[in-house]
Amino acid sequence: LAKTTQPISMDSYEGQEVNITCSHNNIATNDYITWYQQFPSQGPRFIIQGYKTKVTNEVASLFIPADRKSSTLSLPRVSLSDTAVYYCLVGGLTGRRALTFGSGTRLQVQP
Amino acid sequence: SQTIHQWPATLVQPVGSPLSLECTVEGTSNPNLYWYRQAAGRGLQLLFYSVGIGQISSEVPQNLSASRPQDRQFILSSKKLLLSDSGFYLCAWSPRPGTASNTGELFFGEGSRLTVL
Repeated sequence: LAKTTQPISMDSYEGQEVNITCSHNNIATNDYITWYQQFPSQGPRFIIQGYKTKVTNEVASLFIPADRKSSTLSLPRVSLSDTAVYYCLVGGLTGRRALTFGSGTRLQVQP
Repeated sequence: SQTIHQWPATLVQPVGSPLSLECTVEGTSNPNLYWYRQAAGRGLQLLFYSVGIGQISSEVPQNLSASRPQDRQFILSSKKLLLSDSGFYLCAWSPRPGTASNTGELFFGEGSRLTVL
């Protein structure tokens, strides 16, 4: 399994940009990188997915360097409602490897 | 659009009692189905996954079992609950691999919080 490593927690203030980095040194050629967000007592929700370079959607950007051994989720101008746990998953579109959630990064946004 | 529902939302059960959590998916067919458990303050642990009716794979040996009696129904059961079974249980689905709609994304239900006393 492609093991992922993320910081346990991060703190930020409203309006700041937050970057959460995930290390996945043994990522495989066919693996995608997917990020989820989880609020307390809710199921995780898909944020963004990418394979290489940069992906941007209405809520976040995902930066993936050429070697793909890490990725960075960027949340622009966070608000209090962005306080949540963020998970990085690595795996193919098939198979079980993309189903493994690590401990995630607990982001606390302060006013 | 697709929806996923699981129930009950909250459950308090004594040790040794049985358990049944149910999950149903609407608006799709032949989904892959999953049961996860999340202990307090921890990440998600994959318990079971299913690629079709009657096809269950267990990820972690335990006193829990899963069944898929219908294409879009997934049930988590236990004959005798342990204190360690307490947690937040999440059902999820994903499109069948190889289909055009499959991006590997998991869609989660609202969760069922189980407290075993």
